[in-house]
Amino acid sequence: DGGITQSPKYLFRKEGQNVTLSCEQNLNHDAMYWYRQDPGQGLRLIYYSQIVNDFQKGDIAEGYSVSREKKESFPLTVTSAQKNPTAFYLCAAWEGPDTEAFFGQGTRLTVV
Amino acid sequence: GEDVEQSLFLSVREGDSSVINCTYTDSSSTYLYWYKQEPGAGLQLLTYIFSNMDMKQDQRLTVLLNKKDKHLSLRIADTQTGDSAIYFCAEKGPGRRALTFGSGTRLQVQP
Repeated sequence: DGGITQSPKYLFRKEGQNVTLSCEQNLNHDAMYWYRQDPGQGLRLIYYSQIVNDFQKGDIAEGYSVSREKKESFPLTVTSAQKNPTAFYLCAAWEGPDTEAFFGQGTRLTVV
Repeated sequence: GEDVEQSLFLSVREGDSSVINCTYTDSSSTYLYWYKQEPGAGLQLLTYIFSNMDMKQDQRLTVLLNKKDKHLSLRIADTQTGDSAIYFCAEKGPGRRALTFGSGTRLQVQP
C-alpha cells in the first residue's frame, strides 16, 4: 500500500539529548513536510522539502534540523536546543494544492 | 500573515447535524481543506474546495465557502459516534508552499 511511515510511534528522550524521528514515503511525492502538534494549537510547520537535497525552514524551525538525501526519506532531528520538544510530530507528503496531502500516523515525543 | 481560526469544541447528539466553522485571513487562498484526526493518528483528508466555488457536497458532508467574509464551514449530516474526532480547517495560498492549519475543532457525538 502507498503511504507514509513514521517511526517510532512513541519516543522518550532525556533532556540534553538529540533524537531523530523517521519519515519514509512510497508515494513518489516530491514534497515532504514536518508539522508539530500541541493541544489547542493545531499544526505548526517545522520544515519542508520540495525536492531532494533541498529544504526550507517553516514557522518554528529553531531547535530542529532535517535532511533530504533521498526522495523517500525526510528525517527530523530534535536537538537539545529545542526548549520544549514534548509534542506530537506529523510528517506529510504532497503533490500539490488540488491533491490530498498524506500524513503519517505521527510520533509522540516526550522529554523525561 | 496567514491565520486560520476555529472554535475548539462542539458537542452534538447522534443523528443531528454538526456544523464546524472556520475563518481565515488570506484573501488570496486558492484551496481550502477539511481534515479529520482520530485519537493518536495522523490526518485524513475529508474534502477540499477551490476558491471559485461556493459549495461542495459529498455524501453526508457539505462545505460552504463565503469568500467575502472569509468563512468556511463543514456540515456533517446525520452525525454518528464514529464522527467523533478533531476536524482541521486548512488553507493554501499562492505564496506558500505548505498548508496552514487551524487549531482544530474537537467534535464530540453523544449517543
